[in-house]
Amino acid sequence: DAGVIQSPRHEVTEMGQEVTLRCKPISGHDYLFWYRQTMMRGLELLIYFNNNVPIDDSGMPEDRFSAKMPNASFSTLKIQPSEPRDSAVYFCASSSSGTSGVTMGGELFFGEGSRLTVL
Amino acid sequence: DQQVKQNSPSLSVQEGRISILNCDYTNSMFDYFLWYKKYPAEGPTFLISISSIKDKNEDGRFTVFLNKSAKHLSLHIVPSQPGDSAVYFCAASYVYNQGGKLIFGQGTELSVKP
Repeated sequence: DAGVIQSPRHEVTEMGQEVTLRCKPISGHDYLFWYRQTMMRGLELLIYFNNNVPIDDSGMPEDRFSAKMPNASFSTLKIQPSEPRDSAVYFCASSSSGTSGVTMGGELFFGEGSRLTVL
Repeated sequence: DQQVKQNSPSLSVQEGRISILNCDYTNSMFDYFLWYKKYPAEGPTFLISISSIKDKNEDGRFTVFLNKSAKHLSLHIVPSQPGDSAVYFCAASYVYNQGGKLIFGQGTELSVKP
């Protein structure tokens, strides 16, 4: 089975430009998460979806960040306009309430990440 | 407000010795704890977990200990191997999970020297 697929793997852009990160979760998983990794804060949860519906976006840092999940197999994280402090590795992860057991914490399956550099 | 903290950004041990990675949490509502391992240019992968009803869980060379009164958990790797060199993240979640939401720490980079 294919794992979580993220694109692009690397993105270098200039301040003020729009950035779109993409994620394809594992087929059959009903939860999708967007995390951001920084040295200071480790892995921060930005937003997560259940059955394509956003459940908690309290981690989204600013209105410049938005995320969508138009269907069960695709999600995007958009930053507009981008700023140098947005430079980080962005991870998408998915999980299934049916197998690992949501009530037990659940095991998340992560993609390889998208490394964003904003100049 | 960092609810899960890993205060040691790095740790270096000799091959064959024990590695001990520590994690503290502040929220007493957490009831499930996990460790993830991350190699460079890869996503984190699940390593081991423990429920708050237990104080120890063992899986081969990896053992996680939970001290609820101290709000502290640790991961022991015995014996340590060079292939264990990676960043280790501690994570925690709530009763009924709040939908799979995991709160992660900052990570500890482990280096195992031959």
